[in-house]
Parts: sequence; structure tokens; C-alpha cells
Amino acid sequence: GNSVTQMEGPVTLSEEAFLTINCTYTATGYPSLFWYVQYPGEGLQLLLKATKADDKGSNKGFEATYRKETTSFHLEKGSVQVSDSAVYFCALAPQGGSEKLVFGKGTKLTVNP
Amino acid sequence: NAGVTQTPKFRILKIGQSMTLQCTQDMNHNYMYWYRQDPGMGLKLIYYSVGAGITDKGEVPNGYNVSRSTTEDFPLRLELAAPSQTSVYFCASSYGGTSVTGELFFGEGSRLTVL
Repeated sequence: GNSVTQMEGPVTLSEEAFLTINCTYTATGYPSLFWYVQYPGEGLQLLLKATKADDKGSNKGFEATYRKETTSFHLEKGSVQVSDSAVYFCALAPQGGSEKLVFGKGTKLTVNP
Repeated sequence: NAGVTQTPKFRILKIGQSMTLQCTQDMNHNYMYWYRQDPGMGLKLIYYSVGAGITDKGEVPNGYNVSRSTTEDFPLRLELAAPSQTSVYFCASSYGGTSVTGELFFGEGSRLTVL
């Protein structure tokens, strides 16, 4: 079946540090891949997405590249800020139009000043 | 700019009680969803709807019911509440479904505790 595996958290960084949150997936064909972010006390919101192999999604300084050969979609940011503290979820939409978006367990990021 | 609105934000139920979580969206989205979020477990899809009058089960539908009589509203009914239903519930909507844009718009969540 379809699944998403994220690195275990929590992750604690100092401001301006480099961030990587690993995400790998299991799915047949070519799913679409997403990163969602959940700020404290809020619902999830889409951060970035990629819909085909080698696509790079980017937003707010975050980037992730769809790697079919390694079934990965790692999230990166060159210099994190305190305001990036949140829970980050990797997700996939199976190829073929299923509405059953599959989420990873989430990785909590805390950025200290 | 209301987006997706859920009520109530917090609720405590006793075992065996019933309640309805309300969800409404003002974006004219056809697709609506209910998820539950358990600590450290990500989100699980309970039910979804692709339009008024149409609903379908997700991964974890047992113990829940939904209806979709209008485009705007998608209430979630809990019958005979059990401690296993203690969770945070999120309603979401989408313009064309995950296969089109993948972007879901989420409400702020409803924290339910069953004692």
C-alpha cells in the first residue's frame, strides 16, 4: 500500500541553521508529493508540492525535490528562523486520482533565537 | 476571509454520548474531508465528499457518520462516543480534489476528549 515515512523528531535548531527533514515514500507509479506545515494552534497549510519526478517545489525559502530513484522528497531550508517553528508533514496523493491523501507522522521543529 | 470554520473548538464527552462536529466553508469547494490527528500518528482520513449528496469512507470511518446536504456544510456525527475517539479533528476542503491540485484548506481543528 501507499505510505510515507518521515524522520523522527523533535528537531531543535538555532536560528540561521540549515534544516533537512527527510521523507521517503512507498507508492506505485508516480504519486504527487507535498509538504504541509502546522503552526501552533492552527490547521495544516500547504507549504510546497511536486507532481512529477525531478520537479522541485519551493516556497518561503523551503525546497524539496521529487526523487523517483530514491523515492524521497526531503525538505530543506538554508537558514531557519524562529517563525519556522512548527510541525511539518510530508504527504502523497496516489497516482490515478484517489482522494485518500496519505500523511506522514509529522516532524516537530523548534528554532531557538 | 473565513475559509473553513469548525465548531466547537473543544468538547468533553462522556462514554456513550453523541455529538456533531460542524464544518462549513465559504470557498465554494466541491471536495470536503474529515481527518483525525492522534499524537505522533499523523492524520487519518475518516470520510470525504466530492459534492453535495455524495460521501465516501476513508481509512477510519467506524464510529462516525457524515452527510452533505449543501456545498458549504459537512458535519461529522459521533455516535456512542468511546475513549478511542479522543483526538483532534480537522475538516478540510479542496477545489478539485487531491488529484487536481493537492491543496487542502484546513480548519483550526476541534479537540475532543471522551472520558
